[in-house]
Amino acid sequence: GGIITQTPKFLIGQEGQKLTLKCQQNFNHDTMYWYRQDSGKGLRLIYYSITENDLQKGDLSEGYDASREKKSSFSLTVTSAQKNEMAVFLCASSPRGGNTLYFGAGTRLSVL
Amino acid sequence: QQKVQQSPESLIVPEGAMTSLNCTFSDSASQYFAWYRQHSGKAPKALMSIFSNGEKEEGRFTIHLNKASLHFSLHIRDSQPSDSALYLCAVGGGRALIFGTGTTVSVSP
Repeated sequence: GGIITQTPKFLIGQEGQKLTLKCQQNFNHDTMYWYRQDSGKGLRLIYYSITENDLQKGDLSEGYDASREKKSSFSLTVTSAQKNEMAVFLCASSPRGGNTLYFGAGTRLSVL
Repeated sequence: QQKVQQSPESLIVPEGAMTSLNCTFSDSASQYFAWYRQHSGKAPKALMSIFSNGEKEEGRFTIHLNKASLHFSLHIRDSQPSDSALYLCAVGGGRALIFGTGTTVSVSP
């Protein structure tokens, strides 16, 4: 089995600040994803990457940047944190040709 | 742009009863349909999935797919308190999985 590790678990930022979230997986999966979850509701796709150095925008990519410099890691940057923003950012991975996503425990973001 | 909606938003089910969850999608070219379950404070985890029209059963869980109606559902037989969670449907077909709005299920002992 494998594991997806997201750091940090909790992130408190200031309005306008640039914030970076990190994700590591040891499944050796090709595809990695970032989703945002608000108030325990559905997941919205921000970015995904089908291989190293590849980036694909999701429906919620505005206000975010992503980077996939290694197969095992995928980082997400909030380019300018919005006041009172609260959400959980979930990282996931899947094998090539596979449909099942394996999720990390999430990073909980609060912006003061 | 794929739209995936779930109903109801939340429900309370007595222990031992049947739980029925619905998911509608907008893209008729969708090829893959799945349900995920997320317990409070935990990561979402895949429950089961289906590709073709019809029904698939795994233990207490049954998934129905009707592509013509742009609808699929999850039924949980003999619901247990441990089934209390957020249930997310997901639809795929070329790009990344698109998830629904979620249904919160509470099973009362």
